[in-house]
Amino acid sequence: AQSVTQLGSHVSVSEGALVLLRCNYSSSVPPYLFWYVQYPNQGLQLLLKYTSAATLVKGINGFEAEFKKSETSFHLTKPSAHMSDAAEYFCAVTLNNRLAFGKGNQVVVIP
Amino acid sequence: GAGVSQSPRYKVAKRGQDVALRCDPISGHVSLFWYQQALGQGPEFLTYFQNEAQLDKSGLPSDRFFAERPEGSVSTLKIQRTQQEDSAVYLCASSLDSGMNTEAFFGQGTRLTVV
Repeated sequence: AQSVTQLGSHVSVSEGALVLLRCNYSSSVPPYLFWYVQYPNQGLQLLLKYTSAATLVKGINGFEAEFKKSETSFHLTKPSAHMSDAAEYFCAVTLNNRLAFGKGNQVVVIP
Repeated sequence: GAGVSQSPRYKVAKRGQDVALRCDPISGHVSLFWYQQALGQGPEFLTYFQNEAQLDKSGLPSDRFFAERPEGSVSTLKIQRTQQEDSAVYLCASSLDSGMNTEAFFGQGTRLTVV
C-alpha cells in the first residue's frame, strides 16, 4: 500500500527564510504525489503535483518540490517565507483512485 | 458553479441525532470523494463515486455512515445516531475524471460537533 510520512507537526520559520517541509512516501510502483495547502477554515488547495514528467515541480505561490526516487522523498521548499504562507500543508499520494494524506505540517511564520 | 460547495458549514448535533451533509461538486465533474478530517490530522478517505455509482465505500467507519449521489451530481453524506467520535470536518472533493493524477478540488468542509 502507498502512504506518506510527514515529520514534525509544527514548523516555525522566520519571514524571509527558507521553508522546507519533508515528505517521504512508500510505494511499490511509481507514485503520483501532491502537496496541498489548507488555510484556516478553508478547503484544501493544490500547490503542485508530481506525475513523472519532471523531477523538479514548480507550483503556485513560489513553492516547488523535488521528487527523489532514491530517497523516496518529495520535499516541499520555498526560498523566502512570507507571512501569507502561514497555513497547514499536506503531502498526499494517489492510492486506488483516491488520495492518502500525511498528517500535515502547521507552518508558523515569525515576523 | 465556481467551486465545490458544502452545506452547512457548521453543524452541532446532540449525540444520537441524525445529520445530513450536502456537497455540490463542480459541474461536469465525474468523480466525487468524501473525506473525514479529525482535529490535527490529515484527511481520511471515506467514500468515492464515479457519476452515480459508489465504487468504493471502504473508508466508511461504520454502518451508521451512508452516502449517496443519485443523479451523479449532488451528494449527501448521512450519519445516523451520531456519536462524539464523529466530530470532525467532513470534506468533499470532485475531479473531472478518474485519472490517478487528476487534480481534486475541495470544498470548505462541514465542521460537525457532536455534543
